[in-house]
Amino acid sequence: SQTIHQWPATLVQPVGSPLSLECTVEGTSNPNLYWYRQAAGRGLQLLFYSVGIGQISSEVPQNLSASRPQDRQFILSSKKLLLSDSGFYLCAWSMAFPETQYFGPGTRLLVL
Amino acid sequence: AQTVTQSQPEMSVQEAETVTLSCTYDTSESDYYLFWYKQPPSRQMILVIRQEAYKQQNATENRFSVNFQKAAKSFSLKISDSQLGDAAMYFCALGGSQGNLIFGKGTKLSVKP
Repeated sequence: SQTIHQWPATLVQPVGSPLSLECTVEGTSNPNLYWYRQAAGRGLQLLFYSVGIGQISSEVPQNLSASRPQDRQFILSSKKLLLSDSGFYLCAWSMAFPETQYFGPGTRLLVL
Repeated sequence: AQTVTQSQPEMSVQEAETVTLSCTYDTSESDYYLFWYKQPPSRQMILVIRQEAYKQQNATENRFSVNFQKAAKSFSLKISDSQLGDAAMYFCALGGSQGNLIFGKGTKLSVKP
């Protein structure tokens, strides 16, 4: 069966510091991968998605970037965090468009 | 543009009773999927049920069923025999050929014992 992992679970970072959130998927090959952000009391907003190694599409301009160095690894990064980057970050995978997306446990990020 | 609207910010149901959560959407695509996800306090998104737009038959998963009205662009979720563990945020989502899911703002469901 497939599983999806995210770490860290919680992160508190000062403004201006770098960020690296990691997502890995097990039990499948060549998945589509997604990064979402959820602000408090809101729905999810798609940040990035990837259909293969090195292929990244960005949905909204922002202070963040994404990379996919391996087939089942998806990384969300920032060089300098802003207060507005605080939120709950969810990684998801699917086998194709528009198949069901399965979500990881998420990372709570607080920027102070 | 694709949109998803959940008009009920909060709902409440008595344990063992039935509740219906509403969702309307808008899309110009002919091939799409609709989903209901549940987000408990742990905040992990859990798939509840999905519906392919080309299927006329409403999807059912145990106590969860949908009423899919394609012409009206409506996709409601019915929870039968509500249980305390059903208490959560419920999100309706639209999936299209561009690869992303468009989420509604969610409905917070409370279950009273």
